[in-house]
Amino acid sequence: GAGVSQTPSNKVTEKGKYVELRCDPISGHTALYWYRQSLGQGPEFLIYFQGTGAADDSGLPNDRFFAVRPEGSVSTLKIQRTERGDSAVYLCASSLGVNQGEQFFGPGTRLTVL
Amino acid sequence: AQKVTQAQTEISVVEKEDVTLDCVYETRDTTYYLFWYKQPPSGELVFLIRRNSFDEQNEISGRYSWNFQKSTSSFNFTITASQVVDSAVYFCALSEAGGAGGTSYGKLTFGQGTILTVHP
Repeated sequence: GAGVSQTPSNKVTEKGKYVELRCDPISGHTALYWYRQSLGQGPEFLIYFQGTGAADDSGLPNDRFFAVRPEGSVSTLKIQRTERGDSAVYLCASSLGVNQGEQFFGPGTRLTVL
Repeated sequence: AQKVTQAQTEISVVEKEDVTLDCVYETRDTTYYLFWYKQPPSGELVFLIRRNSFDEQNEISGRYSWNFQKSTSSFNFTITASQVVDSAVYFCALSEAGGAGGTSYGKLTFGQGTILTVHP
């Protein structure tokens, strides 16, 4: 079956612009997670959803970052007024449920802020 | 707060050698999960194993084995008879139970990763 997909695979933007990153989880997975991975580092948790609601958004670095999952499936990570420090690979993962099974990761979106 | 430490930044071995990747974790929870993920050059994280804190039994899967020791807060990963295709970055991760009733395992805390290079 299809895995987690993320679009776009690459995004180049200018400082100050707004970007949206999309994640399509594995069908039937109710939990969805966003992580950010900087070069040479491990993934860093941002937020996760159980269904439509954000169960834990403690990893969002500031109020420029926001994520939604309105129908409990696809999720969009939104970054306002991008800064050069936002450049990273943004990873999405999904799992059957928060307490169920491992997290399956997508290929990531590489965001470059010029 | 939880923390995962992978002290080995890079390891280089020759094919067919055995190699052990170390992982030490910190948590105040008594209920938690430990994971290993592989990130090949293509970039996509691949799940390898999940262990819960109540199961200290070691596990073997083909050339891979894992040694979980709560007494030393370690969850080490050994690749036997390494192959060039094992070259990747390997991450250890921890997920704690949190929230009311201890039912929240959502957040993974990753270590910095170990870059493994297997030379032919």
